[in-house]
Amino acid sequence: QITLKESGPMLVKPTQTLTLTCTISGFSLTTNGVGVGWIRQPPGKALEWLALIYWDGDERYSSSLKTRLTITKDSSGNQVVLTLTDMDPVDTGTYYCAHSPLNPRAFDVWGQGTVVTVSP
Amino acid sequence: SYVLTQPPSVAVAPGQTARITCRADNLGDTNVHWYQQKPGQAPLMILYYDSDRPSGIPDRFSGSNSGNTATLTIIRAEAGDEADYYCQVYHNRGEEWVFGGGTKLTVL
Repeated sequence: QITLKESGPMLVKPTQTLTLTCTISGFSLTTNGVGVGWIRQPPGKALEWLALIYWDGDERYSSSLKTRLTITKDSSGNQVVLTLTDMDPVDTGTYYCAHSPLNPRAFDVWGQGTVVTVSP
Repeated sequence: SYVLTQPPSVAVAPGQTARITCRADNLGDTNVHWYQQKPGQAPLMILYYDSDRPSGIPDRFSGSNSGNTATLTIIRAEAGDEADYYCQVYHNRGEEWVFGGGTKLTVL
């Protein structure tokens, strides 16, 4: 059974860097064709894709946030880390990680999400 | 950037058929995936490759995609279908995953 769980701070201050960890089980990011993505959702708003990393280390980023985002995976293939720099109150929302196979390029299993609030 | 346009809301009577659209130029040339999100929950993929259902998704949910419009169809709508629905594509040119703005389905 594939599961993902997000962890990280609930509260960050403006200008700080957010670091979120996605811990996966039931699959490995060392397996061909596997990816893990990050998606966020401001309160009451739509889903927004942020970044994705594949088993081979290929990284993809949202063009609108590319300069602020970094996605990495650990060598064991069990954790994916997302960093978002220069946080602003508009970055407040729920952050999800999700399993994303190469085909289809969709998100077939999601974590429960973690709520991040940006406030002084 | 590539934009997927969904109606903000759709209402349907119980037992009737709901249709939620997702529009973009030449959308029929790509694969559309659909998600259901109930309040306080993570999204759930309900259709992929336009019309395929993951295991456990009722066959009351179906999809189509042609021209500039993809459609999620829910037959025999139930109160439990009340949720936000999102379409999503992988935009090849921009190498980005794109979500629509979401549609709130109300079962009256």
